[in-house]
Amino acid sequence: QVQLKESGPGLVKPLETLSLTCTVSGVSISGHYWSWIRQSPGKGLEWIAYMSNSGSAEYNPSLKRRLTISLDTSRNQFSLTLRSVTAADTAVYYCARNIGMTALNYWGQGTLVTVSS
Amino acid sequence: DIQMTQSPSFVSASVGDRVTITCRASQGFRTWLAWYQQKPGKAPKLLIYGASNLHTGVPLRFNGSESGTEFTLTISSLQPEDFATYYCQQANSFPWTFGQGTRVEIK
Repeated sequence: QVQLKESGPGLVKPLETLSLTCTVSGVSISGHYWSWIRQSPGKGLEWIAYMSNSGSAEYNPSLKRRLTISLDTSRNQFSLTLRSVTAADTAVYYCARNIGMTALNYWGQGTLVTVSS
Repeated sequence: DIQMTQSPSFVSASVGDRVTITCRASQGFRTWLAWYQQKPGKAPKLLIYGASNLHTGVPLRFNGSESGTEFTLTISSLQPEDFATYYCQQANSFPWTFGQGTRVEIK
């Protein structure tokens, strides 16, 4: 059974760096493609980034200059780093597994990140 | 970026009703569209991918179709567990984008 779980700080100060990790169980991370998505409180869904099992990545242009994602196959995890955060980055962050490059078929439960001093 | 416009934004329906949700793309593309269901406080769940392919375990009352730049999600007979918010998502080109959502509520 494929399971994903996000972890990271629930509170980040403005202009600091947000780091999140997605721990995957039930499947090898190296065999699939992975994404990050976020949802601001009471709002819709925003795709953040995608990473293939070969390490190639695509980023949302609106976040690209502040964003890095990576895979850690030894730990079966993938991660997100978002720099210089503002209140606009407050959201529930989800990690998800891709069906290739078509859809997101398994999602983590999500983790709420609040940007506030 | 491809903008996805869902309609309606809100549906009030009864158990047993047929519900249709539409997603229109700002640029034409075929096939690479998915539909998700999200309940309050939960992660979205994939219903349909590739415009019309039912994800594993999704009930047959859910159906996806496409016509030109318009994509449709139909729930043939609404069940109590179907009251939720539904989102479309295009995977034709990066950045992937979602519709704004359609909330289906009990009439």
